[in-house]
Amino acid sequence: AQSVSQHNHHVILSEAASLELGCNYSYGGTVNLFWYVQYPGQHLQLLLKYFSGDPLVKGIKGFEAEFIKSKFSFNLRKPSVQWSDTAEYFCAVRGNYGQNFVFGPGTRLSVLP
Amino acid sequence: DGGITQSPKYLFRKEGQNVTLSCEQNLNHDAMYWYRQDPGQGLRLIYYSQIVNDFQKGDIAEGYSVSREKKESFPLTVTSAQKNPTAFYLCASSLGLAGNQETQYFGPGTRLLVL
Repeated sequence: AQSVSQHNHHVILSEAASLELGCNYSYGGTVNLFWYVQYPGQHLQLLLKYFSGDPLVKGIKGFEAEFIKSKFSFNLRKPSVQWSDTAEYFCAVRGNYGQNFVFGPGTRLSVLP
Repeated sequence: DGGITQSPKYLFRKEGQNVTLSCEQNLNHDAMYWYRQDPGQGLRLIYYSQIVNDFQKGDIAEGYSVSREKKESFPLTVTSAQKNPTAFYLCASSLGLAGNQETQYFGPGTRLLVL
């Protein structure tokens, strides 16, 4: 069965610090990969996704993620965080052959002004 | 204003009672999903539906039931058989289940509390 792990439960950063949130999955086949974000009091929304092609994917609000197939990873990065990036971030994976979506447990990011 | 609506925002249930959570979308999406969100566990798939009059169990379907009589509606019933129903329930929809169509859009959620 597929599973997704996110290394950090809670990350605290100061504004302008660089961010990297880890995501690893266990599935041997072709996968589609997603990062979703849930800002306080708002809907869960898509940050970026990878289906195929360039493994470095750019999303909204300056976020990017890199798919490293050999490491089964899809880490999320941002060079300089802002207070408004405070949110919970979820990595999700779906196998390419009809498997269900599997979400990671989430990482809470707190950015201090 | 297109999107997904869920009602109610908060729902209280007495033990032994069935309750139904509403999910409506006006995005003309074929696929709809129900997830349960618990602290520290992320989202877990309860049921999903690819098309009207069809639905499939997800990873934690026991104690839940769904129907898909209309494209825009996918209500979830939490039955008395669900032993630990207190959670945040999220509904989502997508154009389809393949490739670029499977990006999911989420509703605001319903928080269910058992009294």
